[in-house]
Amino acid sequence: GESVGLHLPTLSVQEGDNSIINCAYSNSASDYFIWYKQESGKGPQFIIDIRSNMDKRQGQRVTVLLNKTVKHLSLQIAATQPGDSAVYFCAENRPNNAGNMLTFGGGTRLMVKP
Amino acid sequence: DAGITQSPRHKVTETGTPVTLRCHQTENHRYMYWYRQDPGHGLRLIHYSYGVKDTDKGEVSDGYSVSRSKTEDFLLTLESATSSQTSVYFCAISESPRGGNQPQHFGDGTRLSIL
Repeated sequence: GESVGLHLPTLSVQEGDNSIINCAYSNSASDYFIWYKQESGKGPQFIIDIRSNMDKRQGQRVTVLLNKTVKHLSLQIAATQPGDSAVYFCAENRPNNAGNMLTFGGGTRLMVKP
Repeated sequence: DAGITQSPRHKVTETGTPVTLRCHQTENHRYMYWYRQDPGHGLRLIHYSYGVKDTDKGEVSDGYSVSRSKTEDFLLTLESATSSQTSVYFCAISESPRGGNQPQHFGDGTRLSIL
């Protein structure tokens, strides 16, 4: 498979442990945030989103936390599985742009050890 | 999966040749986007479309043009390919943000190599 980034930060966790992936965003006016998962050779896959009027949102095995004070977003994965191994990106939507556009972070590689 | 097909999936061509990549969606979404993904740069927006015949430039539009003659198809053209355009190209789609922002959904990419 191909590498989506040669110098990505990497998080290595044991299977069954919880994972926390962090993202700092730059624009205090950003009002919508998304987490994507990208496996080798595939496109980014939507995981979960959160609007700026919330500080927490839960999905199946995933939770996103938003701290607007420090412009920080995190993705928590419960009971991490080998299939969770991938690159994870955060993305932010900045208001006053047309086209529902997103700005993407550089990504974090999650490696799950069996 | 989001009903997005990119073609071709892989292409190798020579510098100076024209190249067209196609993105086809079956979701009837209004917005379509072309990105390139390179090591160390993440995803960068090339062009996007907000309706048939309505397109605009993104962050890295130089050397690229787009067309959207039908809701379902968004074409990306490299008029005269250069080696710096070797990359993985992703198409994405999203609905209109009537009720608030909507996520973009991505195709599986086209790996383009320009020799």
